[in-house]
Amino acid sequence: SQKIEQNSEALNIQEGKTATLTCNYTNYSPAYLQWYRQDPGRGPVFLLLIRENEKEKRKERLKVTFDTTLKQSLFHITASQPADSATYLCALEGSGGYQKVTFGTGTKLQVIP
Amino acid sequence: GAGVSQSPSNKVTEKGKDVELRCDPISGHTALYWYRQSLGQGLEFLIYFQGNSAPDKSGLPSDRFSAERTGGSVSTLTIQRTQQEDSAVYLCASSSLTDTQYFGPGTRLTVL
Repeated sequence: SQKIEQNSEALNIQEGKTATLTCNYTNYSPAYLQWYRQDPGRGPVFLLLIRENEKEKRKERLKVTFDTTLKQSLFHITASQPADSATYLCALEGSGGYQKVTFGTGTKLQVIP
Repeated sequence: GAGVSQSPSNKVTEKGKDVELRCDPISGHTALYWYRQSLGQGLEFLIYFQGNSAPDKSGLPSDRFSAERTGGSVSTLTIQRTQQEDSAVYLCASSSLTDTQYFGPGTRLTVL
């Protein structure tokens, strides 16, 4: 069956360091993969989308990689700040002309001042 | 409005009662999604609308759950004969052709 795995344990890092979050998937052939940020009591907010033919995408301090051979995406936040503390969700869209995405359970990131 | 809105923000109901949750998507967004999120859990897909039709209802957990969308805009999720396991945050999202989903703030449903 299809599965998306994100590290369910919280990730604690020191301010200024690079945070790396992992999203692994099985039995998917996603046309693209997205990363969202979710703060407590709020809906997720879109951050980045990377397509299957792209290896890497950047936006300010954010970088996403997408390895369709390993079936893995890595999400990096460089020069992390306490304001980056949140839960980060990856979401996969399958091919087939329909915009349905499936979300992972998310990884909680805590940036310590 | 500029974003997706949902109402009510909080709903407390008694077991066995029916509830209606409302979603106002971003104007012009043809796709609308409902998700459910239990405490500390990921997003559980419920239903997807394209315009007024729902080509994918596969996530609705039982026949007590139904949803409709009128005029290609507002959507209502109805839960009949609520059970305690229905307690969760219900999130609505809309999107256009860009694949990015824009989420509302959610409705927190508590079934006593």
